[in-house]
Amino acid sequence: QKEVEQNSGPLSVPEGAIASLNCTYSDRGSQSFFWYRQYSGKSPELIMFIYSNGDKEDGRFTAQLNKASQYVSLLIRDSQPSDSATYLCALPAGNNRKLIWGLGTSLAVNP
Amino acid sequence: NAGVMQNPRHLVRRRGQEARLRCSPMKGHSHVYWYRQLPEEGLKFMVYLQKENIIDESGMPKERFSAEFPKEGPSILRIQQVVRGDSAAYFCASSPTGKSDTIYFGEGSWLTVV
Repeated sequence: QKEVEQNSGPLSVPEGAIASLNCTYSDRGSQSFFWYRQYSGKSPELIMFIYSNGDKEDGRFTAQLNKASQYVSLLIRDSQPSDSATYLCALPAGNNRKLIWGLGTSLAVNP
Repeated sequence: NAGVMQNPRHLVRRRGQEARLRCSPMKGHSHVYWYRQLPEEGLKFMVYLQKENIIDESGMPKERFSAEFPKEGPSILRIQQVVRGDSAAYFCASSPTGKSDTIYFGEGSWLTVV
């Protein structure tokens, strides 16, 4: 049974700081991951998909995948109060079409 | 380009009634997924469909729940004889053919059973 673990938080950072969110997974064979953001009462918004080891950058977001240590992280540079949300890590399973979700990490960016 | 469209956004049903949730995928997307998020819990996969086919229904409860994606029209998630424990947010997502790295979610349908 594939599992995804996230620290529930809340993680609190000051505005302008770097927020670091982590996700560990149980299946050593997992190849790729999604990061989503979910505001309270809203649906998940896709931030990034990462497939290969190393870093992937998109604007203020950088995803890092370390297959040897079985973790994937998301860095948010220059954090803004509007980044305050729950960040969800998801692992594709079943021919990459079914997502297994972590419970999410709540991030609070303080002005 | 419209996103994934779900309706109704909010639905209230009495115990024992039926709930029907509809989802129209993004234009050009042929894969549809349904997820459920119970209060204070994580997202759980329910079912994956393509046009006229159920590909993976491993997350669907064995009774009362069914899903379809007909050749014409939206995908439908149907819950018969609803119970209070069915109260949740139901999210539909879609992705294009041949690409599994972009899965976009609709705004969700919030079901309340009273």
